[in-house]
Amino acid sequence: DAKTTQPPSMDCAEGRAANLPCNHSTISGNEYVYWYRQIHSQGPQYIIHGLKNNETNEMASLIITEDRKSSTLILPHATLRDTAVYYCIVRVAVNEKLTFGTGTRLTIIP
Amino acid sequence: DAMVIQNPRYQVTQFGKPVTLSCSQTLNHNVMYWYQQKSSQAPKLLFHYYDKDFNNEADTPDNFQSRRPNTSFCFLDIRSPGLGDAAMYLCATSRSPGTSGTSSYNEQFFGPGTRLTVL
Repeated sequence: DAKTTQPPSMDCAEGRAANLPCNHSTISGNEYVYWYRQIHSQGPQYIIHGLKNNETNEMASLIITEDRKSSTLILPHATLRDTAVYYCIVRVAVNEKLTFGTGTRLTIIP
Repeated sequence: DAMVIQNPRYQVTQFGKPVTLSCSQTLNHNVMYWYQQKSSQAPKLLFHYYDKDFNNEADTPDNFQSRRPNTSFCFLDIRSPGLGDAAMYLCATSRSPGTSGTSSYNEQFFGPGTRLTVL
């Protein structure tokens, strides 16, 4: 699975959009981009995934650049409960394993 | 409503004393995983079961074993815990990803974890 690079930490004001970047310049054609998050003292939670088109669900939006070398997870109206470590993971869909990188620690500020 | 249950949530053991952590699921998923997460680090996969087939990660120490007696339950056995084995142990489940396209992706559902302390 391709390697990902994320900033170690970010702050975002409550109520604003949180934009979390991820670089995956070595991604290959059959690899998807997945996002999970881990709230303190809980297990990771799936957020969203995509291949090349932008995706949106009830939790977030995922924007993938045309060359697929980077992506951005958007939390449209961040709340204090969104404070967590966010992991960007790249893998082939049929691969069962998740390889977590260091992630981004997002802090929502009141 | 609990889907992936881990017991106990906190476990204290002594150096060298065998310990077993348990995981159960109500999702009827055929894949079950065990991850180790040390303080301030990302979760690291130890092994997983695809149905009854056991898949060990290459760098998982022999000290760690697992059993899956049926679909619902999976156990993590640490034969001789060392101080370096103190960590959060996370169990996860998923359906098999299948063999085709994005519709085959199945998210992993994680339990709350068991925090292991080794004295």
